[in-house]
Formats: sequence, structure tokens, C-alpha cells
Amino acid sequence: EDQVTQSPEALRLQEGESSSLNCSYTVSGLRGLFWYRQDPGKGPEFLFTLYSAGEEKEKERLKATLTKKESFLHITAPKPEDSATYLCAVQAGGSYIPTFGRGTSLIVHP
Amino acid sequence: DVKVTQSSRYLVKRTGEKVFLECVQDMDHENMFWYRQDPGLGLRLIYFSYDVKMKEKGDIPEGYSVSREKKERFSLILESASTNQTSMYLCASSLAGGLQPQHFGDGTRLSIL
Repeated sequence: EDQVTQSPEALRLQEGESSSLNCSYTVSGLRGLFWYRQDPGKGPEFLFTLYSAGEEKEKERLKATLTKKESFLHITAPKPEDSATYLCAVQAGGSYIPTFGRGTSLIVHP
Repeated sequence: DVKVTQSSRYLVKRTGEKVFLECVQDMDHENMFWYRQDPGLGLRLIYFSYDVKMKEKGDIPEGYSVSREKKERFSLILESASTNQTSMYLCASSLAGGLQPQHFGDGTRLSIL
């Protein structure tokens, strides 16, 4: 059974304090990994797709990386508007149904 | 931009009622999904559809059914609402084939009293 574990469950940072969120997975035949951002009262919003180990994607203060067993979402010099829940999801084998992690709730204090 | 619209942001219903949640997408996506999201449990797939009139059960289909009569519209039906179906319901759509991200609506927060 595919498993996706995100850590930490919650993270509090001061504005400007860089950190990383982790998404570890156990799947058979990874096809790709997605990162989403979810604001309170909203649906998840797509950020990145990573296809293979060694790949990196960047968007503003966010950089996503992928290894054979985990992905990191690095947040550089975060701002309060980066506060959200970040979800990762993996897609494996012949399925087009992703398996989601439970998310990391990030709060950035001014 | 893809837009996925859910008919209600908030809904309050009574135990035993039949409840309809509607979802419409405007980008001609083949795949559509219904999830529920609960604190500590994350996103759980209820049903998905890969074509008009086609549907498949997800992880937690009990107590739910779906309807997809048109490509752009995917409805979730609670046959006889119960209090344990109080939750946030999220609809999503995606293109078919390959590795395609999902596009989500803003959710319906459903309370069953």
C-alpha cells in the first residue's frame, strides 16, 4: 500500500527564518510527486510537479526537491503570507489517483 | 485558469435527508474527484470519474453515490445523511493521461445536525 508521511505536522517560523518541510513516501514505481498549498477555507492550489530523483523546481521563496524516498519543500526567508498548509501527493504505478499526505501547517510570524 | 466551482460554501442539513453537492469545471477535464477533508485525517477520496457516466469507488464510498451526466458536472449524493458525514467536501478535476495535477474547488463545509 502506498504511504505518504509529512513532517512536521506543524511549524512556526519567524519572518525571514528559512526552513524545510519533509514528505517521505513508500510507493511502488513512483511516477511523480505534487506539492500543493492550502489556505484556510480554500481548496488546495497546485505548486509543483516533480518527476524524478534529483529534480528541483522553484517558485518565489519555495524550492522543491526530490530523492528516491522523499521530497523537501524549502522555504527561504518566509513572509507571513506564506502561512498555509502544504500538502504533498504521490502518483505511482499505473494509477492516476494520487495519494496525499496529511499536510504540514506552516505559520510565519511577523 | 481552470475554475472548479462548488455550488455551496456552507450547508446545514438534518439527519436522514438526501443531500446533493454539485461541482462544475470549465476546462473540459476528463477526470473529476470528490474528497472529504477532516482534521488529522487529511484528504480521503470518496469517488472519482474518468468519463461521462463512468465512476469508480475511492477509499470511503460507503453512504455516498455520484452522478456524472455531463463532462463538466460531477455531483456527490449523500443518500441518507448522518452526523458522521459532517465534513469539508472538496471537488477536483484533472486532464486525463500522464501525470496531471488536480485543480480543486474551494470546498463545501457540510454540517449534519
